[in-house]
Amino acid sequence: QVHLVQSGAEVKKPGGSVKVSCEASGFTFTNYYLHWVRQAPGQGLEWMGIYNPSGGFTNYAQKFQGRVIITMTRDTSTSTVYMELSGLRSEDTAVYYCARGSTSPQFDFWGQGTLVTVSS
Amino acid sequence: SYVLTQPPSVSVAPGQTAKISCGGNDLGTKSVQWYQQKPGQAPVLVVYDDSDRPSGIPERFSGSKSGNTATLTISRVEAGDEADYYCQVWDSSSDYVFGTGSKVTVL
Repeated sequence: QVHLVQSGAEVKKPGGSVKVSCEASGFTFTNYYLHWVRQAPGQGLEWMGIYNPSGGFTNYAQKFQGRVIITMTRDTSTSTVYMELSGLRSEDTAVYYCARGSTSPQFDFWGQGTLVTVSS
Repeated sequence: SYVLTQPPSVSVAPGQTAKISCGGNDLGTKSVQWYQQKPGQAPVLVVYDDSDRPSGIPERFSGSKSGNTATLTISRVEAGDEADYYCQVWDSSSDYVFGTGSKVTVL
């Protein structure tokens, strides 16, 4: 059974950084990609970046290049992917989701979401 | 950048059929996905590769595409289908792109 479990809500100050985790289990991690997608309050979905565990490859949406880093750690039964966003501003207030992907451009399982609030 | 355009809202009576459109340049050459998102919840994949349904998604949800427009059809609409719906594609210049979203209201 596929599980993507994210870390809890965060409140950060402008100019700071936030690191959100996504613990994946129930599937062969190296056979899939992990994406990060965010959703500002009352707005639509916005793709941020992708992590390919097979080779440690990352690719980021142009809008976030230079501000976002996706990394990963593994133990025997779970793999955890992290998304760190720096240079926070109020417009970064959003729910951040991790989602599983594959060579087909679909997101078939999603984490529960992590609310990041940027406020002074 | 690549843009997918959806109607902001679609209203439908229970038991009727809802159709949500998604338009984009050269959409006929791309694989289209559809997601359902209920308030306070993560999105759920309901259609992939234009017209395939993941396991567990009711047959009432179907996808189609003609030219540069993809359509999500919800047959025999139920109150529980009230949600936001997003189309999504991968584009070589813009990577993963989501549509503007459509709110389906069940009257």
